[in-house]
Order: sequence, then C-alpha cells, then structure tokens
Amino acid sequence: KQEVTQIPAALSVPEGENLVLNCSFTDSAIYNLQWFRQDPGKGLTSLLLIQSSQREQTSGRLNASLDKSSGRSTLYIAASQPGDSATYLCAVPISYYGGATNKLIFGTGTLLAVQP
Amino acid sequence: GAGVSQSPRYKVAKRGQDVALRCDPISGHVSLFWYQQALGQGPEFLTYFQNEAQLDKSGLPSDRFFAERPEGSVSTLKIQRTQQEDSAVYLCASSFLTTSAGPSDPRYGYTFGSGTRLTVV
Repeated sequence: KQEVTQIPAALSVPEGENLVLNCSFTDSAIYNLQWFRQDPGKGLTSLLLIQSSQREQTSGRLNASLDKSSGRSTLYIAASQPGDSATYLCAVPISYYGGATNKLIFGTGTLLAVQP
Repeated sequence: GAGVSQSPRYKVAKRGQDVALRCDPISGHVSLFWYQQALGQGPEFLTYFQNEAQLDKSGLPSDRFFAERPEGSVSTLKIQRTQQEDSAVYLCASSFLTTSAGPSDPRYGYTFGSGTRLTVV
C-alpha cells in the first residue's frame, strides 16, 4: 500500500531564505508526483507535476526533483517571500492492476510560514 | 464556469442531521472526484465519477455517505445521520481527462474547488 509522508510538518523561515520541503513515498512504481499549495480556507493549487521519466521540474522560484529509486521528492523554494506562506502537499496517483488512475494519495503536508 | 464551485462554503450540522454538499465542476470536465480532508491531514479520496457513472467509491467511509452525478455535471455528496468524526473539509476536483487517459498525458491535471467545511456539533 502506497504511503506518502512529508517532513517537516511545519517550517518557519525569515524572508529571503532558500528552503527545501521533503516528500517520501513507499512504492517507487509511481507514474508522476505533484506538488500542491493550499492556502487557509482554500482549495488546492497545482504547482508542479513531475512525470516518472523526469528528474526535475521548474516554475519560477520553485524547483521540484524526483528520485524514484529512493522514493523521494523535494520542493525547493528560492528567495522565499511572505506570500509563499501556505501548506504544501505532495501527491502520487494510486495504481492498480498495472494501470494508473487519477486517484491521488496525499502526504500530510508542510505548513510553511515565511516571516517578513 | 472558470473554476470548480462548491457550496455551501461552511456547514454546521447537529449530530444526526443529514447534509448535502454540492460541487459544480468546470464545464466539459469528464472526471469528478470527492476528497475528505481532516484537520492537519492531507486530503483522502472518497469517490470518483466519469460523466454520470460512479466508477470508484472505495473511499467512502460508511454507508452513510452517498454521492451522485445524475447528468454528468453537478455532483452532490450526501452524508446521512452525521457524526462528529465526519467533521472535515470536503474537496471536489474535476479533470478534463478520463482515468484511462492516464497520468502520463500532458493534459493531465486537476482543478480543485475551495471546499466545504463541515462541522458536526
């Protein structure tokens, strides 16, 4: 059974710092991995999607890496800003019968606070 | 619409009351998902629709939970005889793709609604 964990559960950094959020998964046979952002009282916004054949994806100040063999992904945020404060969630699709579905297993999230 | 709309945004129910949560997906999105997010946890899958067909309801926690999407667009998640452990945020997501398209399709992606926060007292 696929399990997804995120470390740390919470993180507070001063503005301008570079930071890394971690995501681990137990079953390396994943099709892709997504990073989402969730603001209080809001839904999830997709940040980056890494296909299993890729090692990293970049969008602006965000860079996500994927190492399937070790069951890990990292989200790197450069030059953090107070507006980056949110909960960050990683998720992988559940696969069964050798196929893939769009049903996601989420980690518990990392609550990030960037202090001005 | 431009996004996935969920209503109500907040719902307070007395224990034992029935509730109905509504999701308006993006027009033309074939797939629709319901997730349950308890406080401090990641979302957990409840059920999946492809058009009007409910293809997967393996995540529904009990027979008190029922979901429908009769015309393949708007969906309703109903919870009967609510209990305190039902308190959570209920998220709806829609996608242009069907399950068979697979996550390797470059058009792969979800749009999530803002959720309904249900509090059972």
